[in-house]
Amino acid sequence: QKEVEQDPGPLSVPEGAIVSLNCTYSNSAFQYFMWYRQYSRKGPELLMYTYSSGNKEDGRFTAQVDKSSKYISLFIRDSQPSDSATYLCAMSWGETSYDKVIFGPGTSLSVIP
Amino acid sequence: GAVVSQHPSWVICKSGTSVKIECRSLDFQATTMFWYRQFPKQSLMLMATSNEGSKATYEQGVEKDKFLINHASLTLSTLTVTSAHPEDSSFYICSAREEGLRGYTFGSGTRLTVV
Repeated sequence: QKEVEQDPGPLSVPEGAIVSLNCTYSNSAFQYFMWYRQYSRKGPELLMYTYSSGNKEDGRFTAQVDKSSKYISLFIRDSQPSDSATYLCAMSWGETSYDKVIFGPGTSLSVIP
Repeated sequence: GAVVSQHPSWVICKSGTSVKIECRSLDFQATTMFWYRQFPKQSLMLMATSNEGSKATYEQGVEKDKFLINHASLTLSTLTVTSAHPEDSSFYICSAREEGLRGYTFGSGTRLTVV
């Protein structure tokens, strides 16, 4: 079983739709959970960062963490064509500069105008 | 915010030659940097953890003699792909974290093509 699993998609939605992206993981020691967005041939950029279970909202983005189920989600409201990218979930055990981050395989999203 | 600069952004080299990729933290000091490899439509695979002033820590299955990592200062780590082969063609990305900030900052990546 892989440490972090994510539906690779591709996921195609019409503009304005609500998008739901999900990851499951196997290691209960993960404490910090992140979502990154990666455009083609670019480095990932951090979208959301959460600690332990709960919800976090930032503009059109909402991140949810359910540690009991080892399940995290990213919701995108009012999706825009500019949201078309690959979304990577990521998680780590600690918050120091030397803690490794483990990535999911990424979900490719296309928002159709 | 933290900025990580990576150069070159793309490189083409002949089989058997070596290629050096630089990763710099521009406005913060990074005692640790991470090197990832990404194949098309696949996720980031951690190759190694680069530690300033000490040897890098390599992930299982990564050849340390082939992927040489040098972290000589608090703002610079280099990855050298030695005796490159076509199967080494990939997208290489570095990342670092500024203490006190959430998440990691990534470089823009280097697309290596070995012909």
